[in-house]
Amino acid sequence: DTGVSQDPRHKITKRGQNVTFRCDPISEHNRLYWYRQTLGQGPEFLTYFQNEAQLEKSRLLSDRFSAERPKGSFSTLEIQRTEQGDSAMYLCASSLARVSDTQYFGPGTRLTVL
Amino acid sequence: AQKVTQAQTEISVVEKEDVTLDCVYETRDTTYYLFWYKQPPSGELVFLIRRNSFDEQNEISGRYSWNFQKSTSSFNFTITASQVVDSAVYFCALSGDAIQGAQKLVFGQGTRLTINP
Repeated sequence: DTGVSQDPRHKITKRGQNVTFRCDPISEHNRLYWYRQTLGQGPEFLTYFQNEAQLEKSRLLSDRFSAERPKGSFSTLEIQRTEQGDSAMYLCASSLARVSDTQYFGPGTRLTVL
Repeated sequence: AQKVTQAQTEISVVEKEDVTLDCVYETRDTTYYLFWYKQPPSGELVFLIRRNSFDEQNEISGRYSWNFQKSTSSFNFTITASQVVDSAVYFCALSGDAIQGAQKLVFGQGTRLTINP
């Protein structure tokens, strides 16, 4: 049983560039979440999907951020026109959509914006 | 609004000592869930335990134990006979009732635990 995978693990980019991250959830999980974690802080919720539907977005998710989950499988998180404040660890988690099933996290993508 | 507070930013103990990590939460939901996750230096969050608001029984798993007290809104985590491999950042988290759609986790700021040999 493979866990949640994320690609790439590390990304260094210059300010103003666009970046895209990918998350592959545990195969039978129909809920997928994105969180952002800055240094010394706990993860903060960004958005989540049930199957292909994006059901909730945090106010942290500015219009430069977009997430998709085509066909309810893998998900992508794109950041356009990156800023230095976007530097963080981006974590993906998945779970089953029943009463508070546990979220399992991937290894994260560490983004550094120069 | 939901909130989780982990007042201990860093704890350092010598191997084999017992250590307790504190977690205090705030929520208006009658049904909610509490979690502990471990984040080793590699960065991946590892699930440790889930507790629902209707189950106040304490739980023990090997050297780990959890004390849930609704009266004080606390969900504390104790490691007995600590080992160097327990060194990590530990997060307490809270979520609402999934039926209401409030599945997102609200995390505390974490406690960095260092076990010295």
